Amino acid sequence: DADVTQTPRNRITKTGKRIMLECSQTKGHDRMYWYRQDPGLGLRLIYYSFDVKDINKGEISDGYSVSRQAQAKFSLSLESAIPNQTALYFCATSDAGFSSGELFFGEGSRLTVL
Amino acid sequence: QKEVEQNSGPLSVPEGAIASLNCTYSDRGSQSFFWYRQYSGKSPELIMFIYSNGDKEDGRFTAQLNKASQYVSLLIRDSQPSDSATYLCAGHLYNQGGKLIFGQGTELSVKP
Repeated sequence: DADVTQTPRNRITKTGKRIMLECSQTKGHDRMYWYRQDPGLGLRLIYYSFDVKDINKGEISDGYSVSRQAQAKFSLSLESAIPNQTALYFCATSDAGFSSGELFFGEGSRLTVL
Repeated sequence: QKEVEQNSGPLSVPEGAIASLNCTYSDRGSQSFFWYRQYSGKSPELIMFIYSNGDKEDGRFTAQLNKASQYVSLLIRDSQPSDSATYLCAGHLYNQGGKLIFGQGTELSVKP
């Protein structure tokens, strides 16, 4: 089984619908991240969490919210999806301290908003 | 301006040549830099990191950091078709809570 698991892997939805992407990890890391990837734009940080009680906005948090339910679980929600949120979403984890730059990624969740 | 910038490419090199991938950053608070490789349809994976000025070598890969010029590069020697992927440069922003900010990525194609 993968160390970082994302569900669903693919989702097609309609404008205005609420969507939740879930991430769970077995690496025992405190730090978790949500990134979105668009062609030509690389990975952009949406939200990150350094422990269960810590939630921080990233580069592009507007239109998104997150919940850190436990050390191992970090969910991303789109309250009212819009077409420009169509993208590939990655969850990642890292250790703390100096090695926190080494991210371990899930396999990605491809979201299409019609 | 993005905090970490890369040429998006594509960069095409013949098999056996040296591929040079470049990255610049704007935040002088960035203390370490990471190169990730992403094959098409896959998630990124770390290949190297560097935090000191100068060169760091690991097999066919050499990372170079010049903090005065705010410039990071990745050299791939003896490029192979299996090196064809998108390479993502990321800066570790210690002054901003230690988050990792990625550049746009450079697509590399190694032709046999």
